[in-house]
Amino acid sequence: GAVVSQHPSRVICKSGTSVKIECRSLDFQATTMFWYRQFPKQSLMLMATSNEGSKATYEQGVEKDKFLINHASLTLSTLTVTSAHPEDSSFYICSAEEGNYGYTFGSGTRLTVV
Amino acid sequence: DQQVKQNSPSLSVQEGRISILNCDYTNSMFDYFLWYKKYPAEGPTFLISISSIKDKNEDGRFTVFLNKSAKHLSLHIVPSQPGDSAVYFCAATGNQFYFGTGTSLTVIP
Repeated sequence: GAVVSQHPSRVICKSGTSVKIECRSLDFQATTMFWYRQFPKQSLMLMATSNEGSKATYEQGVEKDKFLINHASLTLSTLTVTSAHPEDSSFYICSAEEGNYGYTFGSGTRLTVV
Repeated sequence: DQQVKQNSPSLSVQEGRISILNCDYTNSMFDYFLWYKKYPAEGPTFLISISSIKDKNEDGRFTVFLNKSAKHLSLHIVPSQPGDSAVYFCAATGNQFYFGTGTSLTVIP
């Protein structure tokens, strides 16, 4: 089946620095990928829809300048958390939809900002 | 290696009957489990969750059962309605997040 690889799985960074998270579709091409944020013991929150070759579509309340999304190729989307603060600490999860295999999630990135 | 598995890719149920969606996991360290529902062309939305210290959680027509010894999770929908037709994902979390591959439920009017 389709595999979505997310990297890194865990990252600890200092407040004020930026962190890049990569999401790759390994055996299929994904024109659309989704980025989510998961707070502990809460539901998945859709942050943005990443479209290959065009600007991402952000959900209401998500800061575009803080969460930069780049979908430069059909197999790679990146999420950069800029000027990270402790309140940005969370699980970030990507997913992609592929016609034959349906909807596949990455295994998430646990971001801790200290 | 798939740590969370949904072995039934699809399920069809008559309206009014019970829908049972199953999920198996391999890691006994998972401490929280969630079910999500996804309609076509939309992102998944949270449905119901259960902590590993419980064996049942109920919310309206939806009940999640957890059998830790069998490492098995199930979602019961009673009574099933046509609007429940969607793809259902189970997920488990410990240090990371693991999703099943989804089960497509069709409720037949």
